[in-house]
Amino acid sequence: DAGITQSPRYKITETGRQVTLMCHQTWSHSYMFWYRQDLGHGLRLIYYSAAADITDKGEVPDGYVVSRSKTENFPLTLESATRSQTSVYFCASSEPWTGGGDTQYFGPGTRLTVL
Amino acid sequence: SQQGEEDPQALSIQEGENATMNCSYKTSINNLQWYRQNSGRGLVHLILIRSNEREKHSGRLRVTLDTSKKSSSLLITASRAADTASYFCATDTNQGGKLIFGQGTELSVKP
Repeated sequence: DAGITQSPRYKITETGRQVTLMCHQTWSHSYMFWYRQDLGHGLRLIYYSAAADITDKGEVPDGYVVSRSKTENFPLTLESATRSQTSVYFCASSEPWTGGGDTQYFGPGTRLTVL
Repeated sequence: SQQGEEDPQALSIQEGENATMNCSYKTSINNLQWYRQNSGRGLVHLILIRSNEREKHSGRLRVTLDTSKKSSSLLITASRAADTASYFCATDTNQGGKLIFGQGTELSVKP
């Protein structure tokens, strides 16, 4: 399917476990982003990537790891999940300098619960 | 703190009325964008206004930008129940593709 997809859509895990959230886009966009959305905080940027093998920290990177070996995939790993990482996670992609500004296209989100 | 702050946090109106949401920001921008989020879904881009533009229209949407006041407003005219959603402003401050999102306005349109 064309677009940006996330998997799983829902995940329940336990404190201390490693969890990987997947993000895949079919547009070959250069930029990809991971956000978390919590009540009272809006969207906060965790990590982003300007191209394959280039990643950088956002506003709230602690406890998360990303990689981008292929342009279309941008997995987010919680190395040792904590209850404070219970959230809804959104992946997004964009292709700057196309005349459309830095418009971002969002996936449907992953709702993660850490018990 | 967030670059974009939105006002009001929540807005409830009747179908057919107009809805106005405001966004203020702190630093200079390349452009400002508005997104909509339906409950349980991802954000969807609505409209972009560049820093050298003052007003832009798209269907029932009207966006204004006042760079001297560092503020923007989104007007939805003749609202419909299907417009019920959260609306976010996002600023592009020329930080390599990154956008900074406000905390959103939750709009409820009652039939």
